[in-house]
Amino acid sequence: GENVEQHPSTLSVQEGDSAVIKCTYSDSASNYFPWYKQELGKRPQLIIDIRSNVGEKKDQRIAVTLNKTAKHFSLHITETQPEDSAVYFCAASKGSNYKLTFGKGTLLTVNP
Amino acid sequence: GAVVSQHPSRVICKSGTSVKIECRSLDFQATTMFWYRQFPKQSLMLMATSNEGSKATYEQGVEKDKFLINHASLTLSTLTVTSAHPEDSSFYICSAINRDSYGYTFGSGTRLTVV
Repeated sequence: GENVEQHPSTLSVQEGDSAVIKCTYSDSASNYFPWYKQELGKRPQLIIDIRSNVGEKKDQRIAVTLNKTAKHFSLHITETQPEDSAVYFCAASKGSNYKLTFGKGTLLTVNP
Repeated sequence: GAVVSQHPSRVICKSGTSVKIECRSLDFQATTMFWYRQFPKQSLMLMATSNEGSKATYEQGVEKDKFLINHASLTLSTLTVTSAHPEDSSFYICSAINRDSYGYTFGSGTRLTVV
């Protein structure tokens, strides 16, 4: 089955700096890659996603890049703010109606 | 937007008893529901996939007789933890797929504590 590796497990940055979280996946059939932000005790919230026919997607301070050949994708957060502090999960699936496989998560701390 | 209502949000039960968790899609028809378990400071681990009107498909290592899943309608799926033990204490969360649009909608989660 699919295996998603995520790094780093913890990331601490100063407010205003950029943060990058990287994930790799094993199944070349995967074609949908969402990123979720989860606060303690809450449901995961989709922050951005990318499909395999696109190499990069941006939404304000958040961007995701995908390298299908290398089977890795990354989340980039610019101008970080304290409210960005949370656990971030990457995930992969083979498409519509298929299960998501999650990475182990990254605890991001943005220091004021 | 699509909403999945999950109840209860928190439950404490005695060891050996059963607990039922419900997930309802409020404004869309959920053909597929995924059930995840999340231990503290860990990732979401898929337990099973349920499709309306058919038996659930369980992930390797998940006991189907202990975690009973019923997806009797396009708007309701339930997870029953039978004969709960302290090691079953966890955060359980459902995720539904909207039949009419692509995307996963998560429930709000259930914090189960078995004492």
